[in-house]
Amino acid sequence: EAGVVQSPRYKIIEKKQPVAFWCNPISGHNTLYWYRQNLGQGPELLIRYENEEAVDDSQLPKDRFSAERLKGVDSTLKIQPAELGDSAVYLCASSLGGNSAYEQYFGPGTRLTVT
Amino acid sequence: SQQGEEDPQALSIQEGENATMNCSYKTSINNLQWYRQNSGRGLVHLILIRSNEREKHSGRLRVTLDTSKKSSSLLITASRAADTASYFCALDNTDKLIFGTGTRLQVFP
Repeated sequence: EAGVVQSPRYKIIEKKQPVAFWCNPISGHNTLYWYRQNLGQGPELLIRYENEEAVDDSQLPKDRFSAERLKGVDSTLKIQPAELGDSAVYLCASSLGGNSAYEQYFGPGTRLTVT
Repeated sequence: SQQGEEDPQALSIQEGENATMNCSYKTSINNLQWYRQNSGRGLVHLILIRSNEREKHSGRLRVTLDTSKKSSSLLITASRAADTASYFCALDNTDKLIFGTGTRLQVFP
């Protein structure tokens, strides 16, 4: 069974440029999460989707970050414009259900460096 | 803060020794999960313990939960070099996981 797929794995951009990350969750997983992980820290939730609906985006910096999950499968996270402080690893995860008693399966992440 | 705090921040041991990591928190929880992260396999779920459980085992892993003290511990027995990784506790009290800062474990062959 294929795991959570993310691309690109690495991205280097200059500040003020836009950037987008793509995630393909495990087949059949209705719940999709985007996390940001700063160096030496644990992941922090940015947004959670139940199918196409964003049910928790309270931690998403909406002035520059946006996300979508069309058709309830793949998802894209965008930053525009990027700032130096956005340098981090962006992780996508999926699970069978939104109840956090379900195990979350994480992708390898996209390491973003903003110069 | 809802975040769990792991202790120690870093731990170095020899293969064959046991490793114990602790997680303390301040809020009530529905469950607590432990995850491992290394460069090879990314972030992987290890074990979930519910608030009404006191202890769970999975292979060489043993997790305890003391809700009165708001703390949990992860014990890895007979450690191996492959156990080298960062270990995170993740708290759930609102159907959302809040990850701690992690314990970095180094196991020397």
